[in-house]
Amino acid sequence: EPEVTQTPSHQVTQMGQEVILRCVPISNHLYFYWYRQILGQKVEFLVSFYNNEISEKSEIFDDQFSVERPDGSNFTLKIRSTKLEDSAMYFCASRETDISANVLTFGAGSRLTVL
Amino acid sequence: AQSVTQLDSQVPVFEEAPVELRCNYSSSVSVYLFWYVQYPNQGLQLLLKYLSGSTLVESINGFEAEFNKSQTSFHLRKPSVHISDTAEYFCAVTARGGYQKVTFGTGTKLQVIP
Repeated sequence: EPEVTQTPSHQVTQMGQEVILRCVPISNHLYFYWYRQILGQKVEFLVSFYNNEISEKSEIFDDQFSVERPDGSNFTLKIRSTKLEDSAMYFCASRETDISANVLTFGAGSRLTVL
Repeated sequence: AQSVTQLDSQVPVFEEAPVELRCNYSSSVSVYLFWYVQYPNQGLQLLLKYLSGSTLVESINGFEAEFNKSQTSFHLRKPSVHISDTAEYFCAVTARGGYQKVTFGTGTKLQVIP
């Protein structure tokens, strides 16, 4: 079954450092999303991306965050200068183009620990 | 905008007993509804979905959920739980008709007691 792949599975970084989380969505999907889950809390929407631009973003997704689709397969989330409160599990998701399906498929997540 | 309320943060239940995990949603437009499951140290997996048609939807592992528009609910049920069902369950909603974001509830941890 097709799956969304995320790397790294776990990254530890120092406060103030830049982090890039990578995602390979399912090949025929065109809509991409990033969510995060702080330990023990709810899954929160960060950003959605379609046709090489952001279609929606939450208030969490401030200027420290950016997303990019640098080539035909990868979808990245960059945090420019990490803060302690950025420690969370980050989930990438993609959605197929058939609107009747309307289901997000999630990756296994990238755990970010900021020290 | 849509929102989801899962009032029960934790539900302990004995093995082979029935369980119901409650979910209520709020939306000014028609919605699609989902239940996702997260096993320990894993990602989110789709358990079941309601898009249209029959209001009762079932998963392959015995869970079912019923869409109740008048009560704006989408409760998840299983008549007999197994140890392997121990996980966190998230109810989620998205507006119909577009590729909009999915909004999650706060999750319910189901703990199955042997």
